[in-house]
Amino acid sequence: GENVEQHPSTLSVQEGDSAVIKCTYSDSASNYFPWYKQELGKGPQLIIDIRSNVGEKKDQRIAVTLNKTAKHFSLHITETQPEDSAVYFCAASPGQGAQKLVFGQGTRLTINP
Amino acid sequence: ETGVTQSPTHLIKTRGQQVTLRCSSQSGHNTVSWYQQALGQGPQFIFQYYREEENGRGNFPPRFSGLQFPNYSSELNVNALELDDSALYLCASSSPSGQFFGPGTRLTVL
Repeated sequence: GENVEQHPSTLSVQEGDSAVIKCTYSDSASNYFPWYKQELGKGPQLIIDIRSNVGEKKDQRIAVTLNKTAKHFSLHITETQPEDSAVYFCAASPGQGAQKLVFGQGTRLTINP
Repeated sequence: ETGVTQSPTHLIKTRGQQVTLRCSSQSGHNTVSWYQQALGQGPQFIFQYYREEENGRGNFPPRFSGLQFPNYSSELNVNALELDDSALYLCASSSPSGQFFGPGTRLTVL
């Protein structure tokens, strides 16, 4: 089955700098890759996703890139703000949004003012 | 998109007991998935329901079971609770644009 590895497990950046979180996956059949942000005491919030027919997607300060050949995808956050502090999870799925998601282990991002 | 609700928010049970957790999916979403999130880990897929039928199951024993109702709300039932069942249980409802999670139910098994 699918296995998703996520790095780093913790990341601390200065406010205004960029943050990058990387994930690799094992199943070449996976074609949907969402990213979630989870704040303390809350459920995961979908922040951006990418499908396998696209190499990059941007939404304001957040971007995701996908390299299907290497089986890895990354989350990029630019101009970080204190409210970006949270745990971020990548996930992979063999289908569209309704299929099961296999999650990475999470990255705790801390933005230092 | 938002609107997935779960109840209760917190629950304490003792080993061997049974528990039922509830989820109301976002209006119009006919697919509901359940995940278990242990402390400090990513969510793990338990099972998914589509139009009241189980539509995929993760690596969880049969004492984890579920239901989906005609209004697409759902229940997760866990029998013979074990200490390792202590976790945050998340429900997610699906649309073509993604899976959207509720706030979860924190289950503690003593």
